[in-house]
Amino acid sequence: GAVVSQHPSRVICKSGTSVKIECRSLDFQATTMFWYRQFPKQSLMLMATSNEGSKATYEQGVEKDKFLINHASLTLSTLTVTSAHPEDSSFYICSARDNTGGRNTIYFGEGSWLTVV
Amino acid sequence: TQLLEQSPQFLSIQEGENLTVYCNSSSVFSSLQWYRQEPGEGPVLLVTVVTGGEVKKLKRLTFQFGDARKDSSLHITAAQTGDTGLYLCAVIHTGGFKTIFGAGTRLFVKA
Repeated sequence: GAVVSQHPSRVICKSGTSVKIECRSLDFQATTMFWYRQFPKQSLMLMATSNEGSKATYEQGVEKDKFLINHASLTLSTLTVTSAHPEDSSFYICSARDNTGGRNTIYFGEGSWLTVV
Repeated sequence: TQLLEQSPQFLSIQEGENLTVYCNSSSVFSSLQWYRQEPGEGPVLLVTVVTGGEVKKLKRLTFQFGDARKDSSLHITAAQTGDTGLYLCAVIHTGGFKTIFGAGTRLFVKA
């Protein structure tokens, strides 16, 4: 079964509104999670690194005020797309790093489809 | 410039044929991963290669890490329609543990 879960799996929102996507690690605590965006027929592009208890680290070209990331607990990171526009429509995927007990494994979520109309 | 260059970008073959996908870089990596992704789903890890020259097999899939640890290949023998999907090579950035993906190879296997 999935060890990283995203919710919702699909969401449609109106242009100008904000939408929140959750990423949960189910069987482990994750101090670090990652958010990716994938447009149709393209690869996964890293948006930001979500750090528990501190500010997220954004990749070059990603607007931090538009894509708000909150990693308030060791099992949950959220991505909020603010003032969404149709060009924000994409597949958003998170991953979480399990570094407990000497492990260093990355698990990916199932992805969340965002459609802005 | 992409850190990882994958080729070909798209491949359409008949069931039963063999194929090879390449992942190249000018950088040296301590390890490299291959993922497979189906539409609407997250990527699934297939293999991690660590040692230069290493060859790993996963049923009909053979993965090779270059001797200099700059490149890798994925060979599929007797492709099946179920092999259709997006194949991604990736490396983990040691500084922040973030996974960086290549552009991907979209494989379509026709019956």
